[in-house]
Amino acid sequence: QLQLQESGPGLVQPSETLSLTCTVSGGSISSGTYYWGWIRQPPGKGLEWIGSIYYSGSTYYNPSLKSRVIILVDTSKNQFSLQLGSVTAADTAVYYCARSRKYCSGVSCYPARFDPWGQGTLGTVSS
Amino acid sequence: QSALTQPASVSGSPGQSITISCTGTSSDVGGYNYVSWYQQHPGKAPKLMIYDVSNRPSGVSNRFSGSKSGNTASLTISGLQAEDEADYYCSSYTSSSTLIFGGGTKLTVL
Repeated sequence: QLQLQESGPGLVQPSETLSLTCTVSGGSISSGTYYWGWIRQPPGKGLEWIGSIYYSGSTYYNPSLKSRVIILVDTSKNQFSLQLGSVTAADTAVYYCARSRKYCSGVSCYPARFDPWGQGTLGTVSS
Repeated sequence: QSALTQPASVSGSPGQSITISCTGTSSDVGGYNYVSWYQQHPGKAPKLMIYDVSNRPSGVSNRFSGSKSGNTASLTISGLQAEDEADYYCSSYTSSSTLIFGGGTKLTVL
């Protein structure tokens, strides 16, 4: 059974970079059927898609975060990671990683639906 | 990109049916059959309940069903049970090659 586990520092200073890693177990991140994504949820608020990556390194990002986000994949470690730069208190949230099914139309492929999800990790931005 | 529109809350009594709507545009919900629904209990990760508008993953109760008409998708839960009390989120693929969530709906079982 596929499992995902987020890890990383729980506390980050304002203006610095939040770095998180998602470790995939029970399956290969190099499967051609899936993308791998990050979603966040500020305390008491709704879900926000951050971005998704394919094992080849191809990425899709939320336009509202694109200037500050980098998602990378390390197939040798079966992991993918999130870097969110220039953070403020508004970036405080539970960060989830999840697998996304790959859909293709013609030569274009993209992620849709998230299943399963990691348990989430709280990233707090505070001095 | 603006979030999909969901009612903030819905409620129903055990055994009843409820429907949660998710309204978008022709660039997301109306343009693609890639609408999914998630259930989230307090302090837990979201769980996929419906994908591709109306498909149920293995293990999800057949009391949960999904549909779409125009730019609005709907999640219906029949035979409400206490364990269904949770937050529900819709999501859709968009024409900008992005994914977008609804604002979430809190379901209360009376």
